[in-house]
Amino acid sequence: AQSVTQLDSQVPVFEEAPVELRCNYSSSVSVYLFWYVQYPNQGLQLLLKYLSGSTLVKGINGFEAEFNKSQTSFHLRKPSVHISDTAEYFCAVSDGAGGTSYGKLTFGQGTILTVHP
Amino acid sequence: DAGITQSPRHKVTETGTPVTLRCHQTENHRYMYWYRQDPGHGLRLIHYSYGVKDTDKGEVSDGYSVSRSKTEDFLLTLESATSSQTSVYFCAISPGTAYEQYFGPGTRLTVT
Repeated sequence: AQSVTQLDSQVPVFEEAPVELRCNYSSSVSVYLFWYVQYPNQGLQLLLKYLSGSTLVKGINGFEAEFNKSQTSFHLRKPSVHISDTAEYFCAVSDGAGGTSYGKLTFGQGTILTVHP
Repeated sequence: DAGITQSPRHKVTETGTPVTLRCHQTENHRYMYWYRQDPGHGLRLIHYSYGVKDTDKGEVSDGYSVSRSKTEDFLLTLESATSSQTSVYFCAISPGTAYEQYFGPGTRLTVT
Protein backbone atom coordinates (compact mmCIF):
# COMPACT_ATOMS: atom_id res chain seq x y z
CA ALA A 1 0.00 0.00 0.00
CA GLN A 2 1.09 3.52 -0.72
CA SER A 3 0.63 6.66 1.33
CA VAL A 4 1.53 10.31 1.00
CA THR A 5 1.94 12.84 3.78
CA GLN A 6 2.09 16.55 3.12
CA LEU A 7 3.65 17.95 6.22
CA ASP A 8 2.03 21.38 6.16
CA SER A 9 -1.66 22.00 5.63
CA GLN A 10 -1.16 25.74 5.15
CA VAL A 11 1.90 27.78 4.20
CA PRO A 12 1.70 31.59 4.30
CA VAL A 13 4.52 33.47 2.62
CA PHE A 14 5.27 36.97 1.39
CA GLU A 15 5.61 37.79 -2.27
CA GLU A 16 9.12 37.26 -3.71
CA ALA A 17 10.12 35.02 -0.78
CA PRO A 18 11.24 31.42 -1.35
CA VAL A 19 8.91 28.57 -0.46
CA GLU A 20 9.17 24.83 0.17
CA LEU A 21 6.17 22.52 0.34
CA ARG A 22 7.06 19.21 1.94
CA CYS A 23 5.92 15.76 0.82
CA ASN A 24 6.88 12.35 2.18
CA TYR A 25 5.69 9.08 0.77
CA SER A 26 5.78 5.40 1.59
CA SER A 27 5.61 2.54 -0.86
CA SER A 28 6.80 -1.03 -1.10
CA VAL A 29 7.52 -0.71 -4.83
CA SER A 30 9.14 1.75 -7.18
CA VAL A 31 7.01 4.81 -7.67
CA TYR A 32 6.35 7.74 -9.89
CA LEU A 33 5.83 11.08 -8.14
CA PHE A 34 3.80 14.13 -9.10
CA TRP A 35 2.90 17.59 -7.92
CA TYR A 36 -0.42 19.06 -9.00
CA VAL A 37 -1.80 22.56 -8.42
CA GLN A 38 -5.44 23.50 -8.00
CA TYR A 39 -6.56 27.10 -8.34
CA PRO A 40 -9.88 28.05 -6.72
CA ASN A 41 -12.90 26.37 -8.34
CA GLN A 42 -10.77 24.67 -10.96
CA GLY A 43 -9.48 21.19 -11.74
CA LEU A 44 -5.99 19.90 -11.12
CA GLN A 45 -3.07 20.93 -13.30
CA LEU A 46 0.22 19.05 -13.44
CA LEU A 47 3.18 21.07 -12.10
CA LEU A 48 5.91 18.48 -12.50
CA LYS A 49 6.65 14.78 -12.39
CA TYR A 50 9.40 12.35 -11.51
CA LEU A 51 9.42 9.11 -13.48
CA SER A 52 13.14 8.27 -13.59
CA GLY A 53 16.55 9.82 -14.20
CA SER A 54 17.67 13.07 -12.63
CA THR A 55 16.38 13.52 -9.11
CA LEU A 56 15.92 17.27 -9.61
CA VAL A 57 12.91 17.93 -11.81
CA LYS A 58 11.76 21.26 -13.13
CA GLY A 59 8.16 22.11 -13.79
CA ILE A 60 5.98 24.94 -14.95
CA ASN A 61 5.81 28.42 -13.40
CA GLY A 62 9.35 28.20 -11.97
CA PHE A 63 8.69 25.30 -9.61
CA GLU A 64 11.11 22.44 -9.05
CA ALA A 65 11.20 19.35 -6.85
CA GLU A 66 13.85 16.95 -5.66
CA PHE A 67 13.31 13.22 -5.35
CA ASN A 68 15.16 11.79 -2.36
CA LYS A 69 14.82 8.02 -2.28
CA SER A 70 16.64 7.50 1.02
CA GLN A 71 14.38 9.98 2.80
CA THR A 72 11.31 9.02 0.73
CA SER A 73 10.63 12.69 0.07
CA PHE A 74 9.63 14.82 -2.90
CA HIS A 75 9.64 18.42 -1.71
CA LEU A 76 8.44 21.23 -3.98
CA ARG A 77 10.35 24.51 -4.10
CA LYS A 78 10.20 27.90 -5.74
CA PRO A 79 12.89 30.55 -5.19
CA SER A 80 10.56 33.54 -5.48
CA VAL A 81 6.77 33.32 -5.30
CA HIS A 82 4.14 35.56 -6.83
CA ILE A 83 0.64 36.47 -5.73
CA SER A 84 -0.62 34.28 -8.58
CA ASP A 85 0.94 31.19 -6.96
CA THR A 86 -1.76 31.26 -4.30
CA ALA A 87 -3.46 27.88 -4.68
CA GLU A 88 -3.68 24.40 -3.20
CA TYR A 89 -0.88 22.01 -4.02
CA PHE A 90 -1.13 18.22 -4.02
CA CYS A 91 1.64 15.66 -3.93
CA ALA A 92 0.76 12.27 -5.43
CA VAL A 93 2.40 8.89 -5.86
CA SER A 94 1.55 6.43 -8.60
CA ASP A 95 1.89 2.70 -8.60
CA GLY A 96 2.60 2.92 -12.31
CA ALA A 97 6.17 1.74 -11.94
CA GLY A 98 5.04 -1.71 -10.90
CA GLY A 99 4.62 -4.60 -13.33
CA THR A 100 0.93 -5.22 -12.67
CA SER A 101 -0.18 -1.73 -11.79
CA TYR A 102 -2.84 0.52 -13.23
CA GLY A 103 -1.29 3.90 -12.60
CA LYS A 104 -3.54 4.62 -9.65
CA LEU A 105 -2.69 7.83 -7.80
CA THR A 106 -2.57 8.24 -4.04
CA PHE A 107 -2.76 11.88 -3.03
CA GLY A 108 -1.61 13.79 0.00
CA GLN A 109 -4.06 15.94 1.92
CA GLY A 110 -3.01 19.11 0.16
CA THR A 111 -1.11 22.26 1.16
CA ILE A 112 -2.72 25.66 0.77
CA LEU A 113 -0.11 28.19 -0.26
CA THR A 114 -1.11 31.79 0.39
CA VAL A 115 1.14 34.51 -0.97
CA HIS A 116 0.75 37.88 0.73
CA PRO A 117 1.78 41.20 -0.82
CA ASP B 1 -5.61 20.99 -22.55
CA ALA B 2 -6.63 17.33 -22.57
CA GLY B 3 -10.10 16.84 -24.00
CA ILE B 4 -12.05 15.86 -20.92
CA THR B 5 -15.54 17.01 -20.07
CA GLN B 6 -17.70 16.17 -17.10
CA SER B 7 -21.45 16.49 -16.87
CA PRO B 8 -23.26 17.84 -15.08
CA ARG B 9 -20.92 20.42 -13.57
CA HIS B 10 -23.23 21.05 -10.61
CA LYS B 11 -26.03 18.95 -9.19
CA VAL B 12 -28.23 19.06 -6.11
CA THR B 13 -30.15 15.91 -5.33
CA GLU B 14 -32.09 14.40 -2.47
CA THR B 15 -31.05 11.53 -0.25
CA GLY B 16 -32.05 8.16 -1.69
CA THR B 17 -32.17 9.21 -5.34
CA PRO B 18 -29.92 7.67 -8.00
CA VAL B 19 -27.34 9.93 -9.64
CA THR B 20 -25.12 9.36 -12.67
CA LEU B 21 -22.09 11.47 -13.49
CA ARG B 22 -20.53 11.33 -16.92
CA CYS B 23 -16.92 11.68 -17.99
CA HIS B 24 -16.23 12.05 -21.70
CA GLN B 25 -12.79 12.14 -23.34
CA THR B 26 -11.68 12.84 -26.89
CA GLU B 27 -8.08 11.63 -26.39
CA ASN B 28 -8.69 7.89 -26.90
CA HIS B 29 -6.77 7.18 -23.67
CA ARG B 30 -7.00 3.68 -22.25
CA TYR B 31 -7.11 4.50 -18.54
CA MET B 32 -9.87 6.45 -16.82
CA TYR B 33 -10.35 7.21 -13.12
CA TRP B 34 -12.96 8.67 -10.79
CA TYR B 35 -11.85 10.55 -7.66
CA ARG B 36 -13.69 12.45 -4.99
CA GLN B 37 -12.23 15.52 -3.28
CA ASP B 38 -13.08 16.39 0.31
CA PRO B 39 -11.40 18.95 2.58
CA GLY B 40 -8.54 17.43 4.54
CA HIS B 41 -8.51 14.26 2.47
CA GLY B 42 -7.04 15.35 -0.83
CA LEU B 43 -8.40 13.24 -3.67
CA ARG B 44 -9.37 9.63 -3.14
CA LEU B 45 -9.83 7.03 -5.87
CA ILE B 46 -13.35 5.64 -6.23
CA HIS B 47 -13.11 3.39 -9.30
CA TYR B 48 -10.89 3.07 -12.33
CA SER B 49 -10.97 1.51 -15.78
CA TYR B 50 -8.17 -0.01 -17.82
CA GLY B 51 -10.22 -0.65 -20.93
CA VAL B 52 -13.73 -0.99 -22.27
CA LYS B 53 -15.75 -3.08 -19.82
CA ASP B 54 -12.64 -3.46 -17.59
CA THR B 55 -13.12 -1.72 -14.28
CA ASP B 56 -12.05 -2.16 -10.68
CA LYS B 57 -12.60 -0.67 -7.25
CA GLY B 58 -10.51 2.00 -5.65
CA GLU B 59 -10.03 3.13 -2.08
CA VAL B 60 -13.57 4.48 -1.44
CA SER B 61 -15.86 2.46 -3.72
CA ASP B 62 -18.71 1.66 -1.31
CA GLY B 63 -21.99 3.09 -2.61
CA TYR B 64 -20.63 3.70 -6.12
CA SER B 65 -20.68 1.73 -9.36
CA VAL B 66 -19.15 2.47 -12.76
CA SER B 67 -19.55 1.44 -16.36
CA ARG B 68 -17.47 1.86 -19.48
CA SER B 69 -19.12 0.63 -22.66
CA LYS B 70 -17.09 2.90 -24.96
CA THR B 71 -13.49 4.11 -24.80
CA GLU B 72 -14.58 7.72 -24.52
CA ASP B 73 -17.17 7.47 -21.74
CA PHE B 74 -16.82 6.50 -18.08
CA LEU B 75 -19.97 6.73 -15.97
CA LEU B 76 -20.11 6.95 -12.18
CA THR B 77 -23.41 6.00 -10.52
CA LEU B 78 -24.54 6.60 -6.99
CA GLU B 79 -27.31 4.01 -6.65
CA SER B 80 -28.93 5.72 -3.66
CA ALA B 81 -27.27 9.02 -2.79
CA THR B 82 -26.42 9.80 0.83
CA SER B 83 -25.29 13.05 2.44
CA SER B 84 -21.80 11.57 2.92
CA GLN B 85 -21.47 11.54 -0.86
CA THR B 86 -21.67 15.32 -1.05
CA SER B 87 -18.32 16.11 -2.65
CA VAL B 88 -16.52 17.32 -5.73
CA TYR B 89 -15.96 14.51 -8.21
CA PHE B 90 -13.09 14.52 -10.68
CA CYS B 91 -12.52 12.31 -13.66
CA ALA B 92 -8.99 11.71 -14.93
CA ILE B 93 -7.51 10.02 -17.98
CA SER B 94 -4.11 8.64 -18.87
CA PRO B 95 -2.58 6.97 -21.93
CA GLY B 96 -0.65 4.49 -19.79
CA THR B 97 0.60 3.69 -16.32
CA ALA B 98 3.92 5.45 -16.87
CA TYR B 99 2.25 8.77 -17.63
CA GLU B 100 0.61 11.53 -15.66
CA GLN B 101 -3.13 11.80 -15.35
CA TYR B 102 -5.10 14.64 -16.86
CA PHE B 103 -8.06 15.87 -14.87
CA GLY B 104 -11.47 17.10 -15.89
CA PRO B 105 -13.09 20.28 -14.51
CA GLY B 106 -15.02 18.45 -11.78
CA THR B 107 -18.65 17.99 -10.76
CA ARG B 108 -19.90 19.52 -7.54
CA LEU B 109 -22.57 17.22 -6.07
CA THR B 110 -24.71 18.18 -3.10
CA VAL B 111 -26.97 15.58 -1.49
CA THR B 112 -29.63 17.14 0.76
